Amino acid sequence: QSVLTQPPSASGTPGQGVTISCSGSYSNIGGNTVNWYQRLPGTAPKLLIYSNNQRPSGVPDRFSGSGSGTSASLAISGLQSEDEGDYYCGTWDDSLNGWVFGGGTKLTVL
Amino acid sequence: EVQLVESGGGLVQPGGSLRLSCAASGFTFSTYWMNWVRQAPGKGLVWVSRIHSDGSTTSYADLVKGRFTISRDNAKNTLYLQMNSLRAEDTAVYYCAREGGGYGDYYFDYWGQGALVTVSS
Repeated sequence: QSVLTQPPSASGTPGQGVTISCSGSYSNIGGNTVNWYQRLPGTAPKLLIYSNNQRPSGVPDRFSGSGSGTSASLAISGLQSEDEGDYYCGTWDDSLNGWVFGGGTKLTVL
Repeated sequence: EVQLVESGGGLVQPGGSLRLSCAASGFTFSTYWMNWVRQAPGKGLVWVSRIHSDGSTTSYADLVKGRFTISRDNAKNTLYLQMNSLRAEDTAVYYCAREGGGYGDYYFDYWGQGALVTVSS
């Protein structure tokens, strides 16, 4: 059971938008910024969003992040077939003194 | 170009040991915290361990504490994970990941391709 809670699945058609939520507590999301990672089939995880809403160089602006209180969200607009994969939120947990992740959300582009 | 390349994975019997290595290149290895993260088949990402840039400080997830040891050789730009008393539930792909960022905001900015560890008799 993961410390952070994500929906197990999300879906949308090409061109549509989708939002993935991530819920935690005051010891993790409530006190630290959230990062999002994308793991496409057969590849290693990749940093998608850092510090709640920052995009690394090369990440399209179709991907955006937000956070408030003990929750965070990843929004993907203009869905493309190559966006299919797993998405994970992650942050530092002050009580556990370690990194924690959500269970991952499998995104399907119909 | 930043590269992290894991090696040392394989099949090991329950109770056995294995040492993973992660060779780093393309950045000043000795200035970054480094981590191990694993993913069991069909499961999500789970943080395993972390080590300070100079090796002076380490931390572990409870599920591996006392069995796994993280270390690094900055002269060789290599990160290690010594895994002892392995259990079936340790079966996973193990990723090494660089901890980037600063000013209180940190994240895993580069990941290796992963090393598969299978614990089975």
